[in-house]
Amino acid sequence: AQKVTQAQTEISVVEKEDVTLDCVYETRDTTYYLFWYKQPPSGELVFLIRRNSFDEQNEISGRYSWNFQKSTSSFNFTITASQVVDSAVYFCALSEAGYNQGGKLIFGQGTELSVKP
Amino acid sequence: EAGVAQSPRYKIIEKRQSVAFWCNPISGHATLYWYQQILGQGPKLLIQFQNNGVVDDSQLPKDRFSAERLKGVDSTLKIQPAKLEDSAVYLCASSLRGGGPNTGELFFGEGSRLTVL
Repeated sequence: AQKVTQAQTEISVVEKEDVTLDCVYETRDTTYYLFWYKQPPSGELVFLIRRNSFDEQNEISGRYSWNFQKSTSSFNFTITASQVVDSAVYFCALSEAGYNQGGKLIFGQGTELSVKP
Repeated sequence: EAGVAQSPRYKIIEKRQSVAFWCNPISGHATLYWYQQILGQGPKLLIQFQNNGVVDDSQLPKDRFSAERLKGVDSTLKIQPAKLEDSAVYLCASSLRGGGPNTGELFFGEGSRLTVL
């Protein structure tokens, strides 16, 4: 069965600190997708990144970076120089790669990030 | 571009009563999803539509939940009769289609928060 675990329930940092959100996944599929979503206080989840299981290259987008390691089944997310606007709940998710399966996301429990000024 | 619209934003009902939630996806999005998010947990997929056909409803409690997507656009999710454990945020999301280059890139609405007393 597929499962996503985010062991950190809450993280609190001071602005400008770097912070890493951990994500560990389980799947028997050889082909799958991994995601990160952000849920601000308004409630709607916002897509941040998608990675397929064949692409282990790390990715950087501005202050955000992602580290995908199949050997440890992890897909960690780092925010560099955090800002108050980064305060939100962050979800890691997993999906199968079959036709029409991409939107069936298995979410972790979420990590609530609080960035204080 | 207008986002995913949901209503009502909040609903309080007594157990055994019925409730309906409405969703209008982003124009042109063929795939529509209803997710249930219980407080402190990640969202869980209830049902996925491709146009007006059901792709996956394996996690929908069919004895009390029903959903439809007439004409392949708007969708309604109904709960009848409600139980205490149905208290949650019901999130509607849409995507261009269930797979392909936009796999897993879902656009979420702000959700409908249900409290069952």
